[in-house]
Amino acid sequence: ETGVTQSPTHLIKTRGQQVTLRCSSQSGHNTVSWYQQALGQGPQFIFQYYREEENGRGNFPPRFSGLQFPNYSSELNVNALELDDSALYLCASSLDSMEQYFGPGTRLTVT
Amino acid sequence: GDSVTQMEGPVTLSEEAFLTINCTYTATGYPSLFWYVQYPGEGLQLLLKATKADDKGSNKGFEATYRKETTSFHLEKGSVQVSDSAVYFCALSDRRYGNKLVFGAGTILRVKS
Repeated sequence: ETGVTQSPTHLIKTRGQQVTLRCSSQSGHNTVSWYQQALGQGPQFIFQYYREEENGRGNFPPRFSGLQFPNYSSELNVNALELDDSALYLCASSLDSMEQYFGPGTRLTVT
Repeated sequence: GDSVTQMEGPVTLSEEAFLTINCTYTATGYPSLFWYVQYPGEGLQLLLKATKADDKGSNKGFEATYRKETTSFHLEKGSVQVSDSAVYFCALSDRRYGNKLVFGAGTILRVKS
């Protein structure tokens, strides 16, 4: 049984660009949640997908969007990147929104 | 909205010392409570959890008890090791909101040999 994986591990983007982060959920899990962790802070909930539908959203602007695919993997897209978007982005998968298992994260730096 | 407050760090202890990291929460319902640990350069690992009042979560020598009367979930360990050095996050979730996790700011623990 494989755990939650995320790609890429690190990336550097320029302000105004767009970025796509990817997450493969743990086998058997149908729910994916995304969190943003700024340096020195706790993770903040961005949104959750359950069986390909958005199932809750945190206090993030619409330029943060997502998708969940039939195999329950997921993407996080961020448009018009800002310097404050620099953070560790964490994906967590679960079965029916129960206990969440986190991936290693993607470190995004916006310059 | 729901929130979690943790004691500020860093907490610096000598090996084999007793550890307490305080955590209190504010919630309108009856949340589940968690402690997660984050080692340098890694994602979050679930350390322990409790789903109802008076439950005690335990794992790897760490313990925390869900205290509804004081809205607290303090993390304790009787004898810390250098390998316990990490950032510890207290969190809550509520099934009414899809079990999204609400985290505290984290507490850095440094254990010296």
